[in-house]
Amino acid sequence: DAGVIQSPRHEVTEMGQEVTLRCKPISGHNSLFWYRQTMMRGLELLIYFNNNVPIDDSGMPEDRFSAKMPNASFSTLKIQPSEPRDSAVYFCASSLTQYETQYFGPGTRLLVL
Amino acid sequence: AQKVTQAQTEISVVEKEDVTLDCVYETRDTTYYLFWYKQPPSGELVFLIRRNSFDEQNEISGRYSWNFQKSTSSFNFTITASQVVDSAVYFCALRPGYSTLTFGKGTMLLVSP
Repeated sequence: DAGVIQSPRHEVTEMGQEVTLRCKPISGHNSLFWYRQTMMRGLELLIYFNNNVPIDDSGMPEDRFSAKMPNASFSTLKIQPSEPRDSAVYFCASSLTQYETQYFGPGTRLLVL
Repeated sequence: AQKVTQAQTEISVVEKEDVTLDCVYETRDTTYYLFWYKQPPSGELVFLIRRNSFDEQNEISGRYSWNFQKSTSSFNFTITASQVVDSAVYFCALRPGYSTLTFGKGTMLLVSP
């Protein structure tokens, strides 16, 4: 069975550029989560969706970050414009419902120069 | 507010030693769930176990075992006869009631041959 799929796995970009991270959740899972992992702050929840609807985006750092889930099998996290402090590993996770176990994708390692 | 504390930042052992990773949590909810995830050097987050607050039975899975004690708010993880492949960062996480996951800072385990 396919797990959570994320792309790209690595992204290097220059400050000011737009970055789009992609996620395909496990088929049949109704909840999708975006996390950011840094050495300083650990794993932080950015936003999560239930049935394609954003439920809690209180973890989104600022207006430069946006997330969408146009359908049950696809979500994007966009950073525009990117800044060096956005450098981190971004994980997508999905679960059957928001209360069930979350399964994580391999992550996208983002470096903003 | 909920909190997960993994006091051990890094542990080094020699292969075949037993090792225990500590996890202490704080929550005011009477219903909550505890998790352990493994993050190997390759970077992905792998789900290991989930326990709910009403089930204090210890669990064993091969060389892995978990000790859940509500009296001390702890959910410790023991690896018996450690192997080099166990080298990873291990995260304890808490989900109180209908809230979202809160992760500890993680414990890096290094198993040397």
